Amino acid sequence: QVQLVQSGAEVKKPGASVKVSCKVSGYTLTELSMHWVRQAPGKGLEWMGGFDPEDGETIYAQKFQGRVTMTEDTSTDTAYMELSSLRSEDTAVYYCASLGYCSGGSCYYMDVWGKGTTVTVSS
Amino acid sequence: DIQMTQSPSSLSASVGDRVTITCRASQSISSYLNWYQQKPGKAPKLLIYAASSLQSGVPSRFSGSGSGTDFTLTISSLQPEDFATYYCQQSYSSITFGQGTRLEIK
Repeated sequence: QVQLVQSGAEVKKPGASVKVSCKVSGYTLTELSMHWVRQAPGKGLEWMGGFDPEDGETIYAQKFQGRVTMTEDTSTDTAYMELSSLRSEDTAVYYCASLGYCSGGSCYYMDVWGKGTTVTVSS
Repeated sequence: DIQMTQSPSSLSASVGDRVTITCRASQSISSYLNWYQQKPGKAPKLLIYAASSLQSGVPSRFSGSGSGTDFTLTISSLQPEDFATYYCQQSYSSITFGQGTRLEIK
C-alpha cells in the first residue's frame, strides 16, 4: 500500500523560498499522480496543483502560478513542492496526496495523504 | 473556477443522530464530487468518491448522493469518532474544495 512521508517543519523569512518533499513507499512515483494541498491555521483545504494524468503535465492553481514549482525525482521516488516569495499568508500545513481515479471522465480523488509539513513564515 | 459551497458551516448533533451535509457547485459537475473527513491535527481522509461510491474501509453509515450541482453526505447514525470537519471537493474542472462543515457534539 502507498505511504507518503513528508519532510519536517520549516521556518522561513518573508521573501524566501521553501521546498517540501514527499517520499513514496509501496509504489513507485511514476505509478502515481502527486498533488499538493495546503491548509492555513484554522482554515479550509486549498488545492495548489499536481500532475494531470490526462495531459501528462503538471498543472497549478491560478493563485500560485509563477510562485510554485512541483517536481519529481523518480530515482528516489520523491516529489517536491517549492514555493517562492513567501509571505505571512503562506503559513500553513502543506500536504502531498496521491490522486486516485475511476473510469470515465474527470473522476479524480485524493486517496492517500502525507501527514503534512508545517511551514511558518515569520520575520 | 468552479465554486463549492457547503451548508451548514457548522452543525451540532448527538451520538445516534442522522446528519446530512450539503454541497452545492456553482455549475454542473456531473458526479465528480468527493467527500473527506478531517480530524484536528490530522490529514484529510477520503470517505466518498464519484458522489456515491464508498471508499474501501469506510463504515457503511456514511453515504453520498447527488449529481449536477447539488450533493449530500449523510451519516446515518453518528458515532463518537465521526465528530470532525467534512469537506467536499470537485474534480470536473481543475480541483476545488468546499469551505468545510464542522460537526460538533451537542
